[in-house]
Amino acid sequence: KAGVTQTPRYLIKTRGQQVTLSCSPISGHRSVSWYQQTPGQGLQFLFEYFSETQRNKGNFPGRFSGRQFSNSRSEMNVSTLELGDSALYLCASSFLGQHTDTQYFGPGTRLTVL
Amino acid sequence: AQSVSQHNHHVILSEAASLELGCNYSYGGTVNLFWYVQYPGQHLQLLLKYFSGDPLVKGIKGFEAEFIKSKFSFNLRKPSVQWSDTAEYFCAVIGNQAGTALIFGKGTTLSVSS
Repeated sequence: KAGVTQTPRYLIKTRGQQVTLSCSPISGHRSVSWYQQTPGQGLQFLFEYFSETQRNKGNFPGRFSGRQFSNSRSEMNVSTLELGDSALYLCASSFLGQHTDTQYFGPGTRLTVL
Repeated sequence: AQSVSQHNHHVILSEAASLELGCNYSYGGTVNLFWYVQYPGQHLQLLLKYFSGDPLVKGIKGFEAEFIKSKFSFNLRKPSVQWSDTAEYFCAVIGNQAGTALIFGKGTTLSVSS
C-alpha cells in the first residue's frame, strides 16, 4: 500500500503571497490531519478533516485553512504569507480519525518564505 | 493547556548502552500516549502507543515504554541501543475528546556512536 504523499516537497514564496499544499492519504483512510514543524515551536497541530468536514482545529490564525475532497485528498492553504510561516508542513492520515488510530505521516512540504 | 515535556534535548550514547528518554505530560483527562521516531531523511513513524491495560507497552525494534499515571510520565526505554537507532524521538499525547490532535514534545535527538 502506498504511503501518505505530499506535494510539492519544497516551495519558496515571498511575503504576502499565498500557497497551497496537497496531501494524498493512504488508500482507505478518511481522516487527514495537518501539522506545522519548526525548530522553535516543534510540531503543532493545525487541523483535521474527516469526510470533507473540518472536525478539529489548532490555535493558528485564519490565514491557515484547508479542505478535503470526496476522495479524502486534502489541501491546506496559507494566505498572506509571513516570514514566520517558514516550516515543514506534515500531513498525517488515519483510518477513522479516532484517538486510538495510528496516524501515518507523509514526508512533508518544506516551505520557505522570503 | 495540555503539554508534553521531554527532558533531554540531545542524548549521546555508545552502542550497547541502555537508553531511557523521559516524557511527562500535562492533561486533565484520560490520555492516549505515543512515541514517534524520525530517522534521518525519513518520515515520522510510530514506535509504540498506549491506550489502556498493561502500562508497559512494547513497540518495534526492541523499544518499550512505561506509563506511570501518578507521575504523568511515559518514558521510552531500550536495553541496548544500536547505531541505527540514531534519530529524533517525539513523545505525544491525545486526549480522548481531541480526535487526532496529537500534542508533541519538542523531541530528543539520540546520537549513537559505534
